[in-house]
Amino acid sequence: GENVEQHPSTLSVQEGDSAVIKCTYSDSASNYFPWYKQELGKGPQLIIDIRSNVGEKKDQRIAVTLNKTAKHFSLHITETQPEDSAVYFCAASRGAAGNKLTFGGGTRVLVKP
Amino acid sequence: KAGVTQTPRYLIKTRGQQVTLSCSPISGHRSVSWYQQTPGQGLQFLFEYFSETQRNKGNFPGRFSGRQFSNSRSEMNVSTLELGDSALYLCASRPDSTGNSPLHFGNGTRLTVT
Repeated sequence: GENVEQHPSTLSVQEGDSAVIKCTYSDSASNYFPWYKQELGKGPQLIIDIRSNVGEKKDQRIAVTLNKTAKHFSLHITETQPEDSAVYFCAASRGAAGNKLTFGGGTRVLVKP
Repeated sequence: KAGVTQTPRYLIKTRGQQVTLSCSPISGHRSVSWYQQTPGQGLQFLFEYFSETQRNKGNFPGRFSGRQFSNSRSEMNVSTLELGDSALYLCASRPDSTGNSPLHFGNGTRLTVT
């Protein structure tokens, strides 16, 4: 089955700096890659997703890049703010009917003011 | 639009008991998935239901079961609880089961087994 590795497990950045989280996946048939943000006491919230027919997607301060050949994808957060502090999860799926999301282990991001 | 609603938020049960968790999906969403989140194993897929049918099942023992009703609401049941079942149980919904629509999660039910 699919295996998703996520690095780093913790990331501390100064407010205003950029944060980058990287994930690799094992199943070459995976074609859907969402990113979730989880704040304390809440469920994961979808922040951005990308499909395998696209190499990059951007939404304001958040961007995701995908390298299908190398089977890795990354989340980039620019101009970080204290409210970006949370745990971020990457995930991968084949995108077919009934298929599950396989999640990475999570990255705890701390933005220091 | 209201989000995914899970009840109760917190549960404390004793080993050997059974428990039922409830999930109301976003209005119009017909697919409901359940995930278990623990510090050691992370987020793991339990099962997905669409139109009252189980579409997919994760690698969990038969003590874990679920169902979906005609109004798309879902319940999951865990029988003969073990200490290791202590976790945050997350429900997620999406409009269909094609896998092309994003999953939206609720805030979970925190289950503690003593």
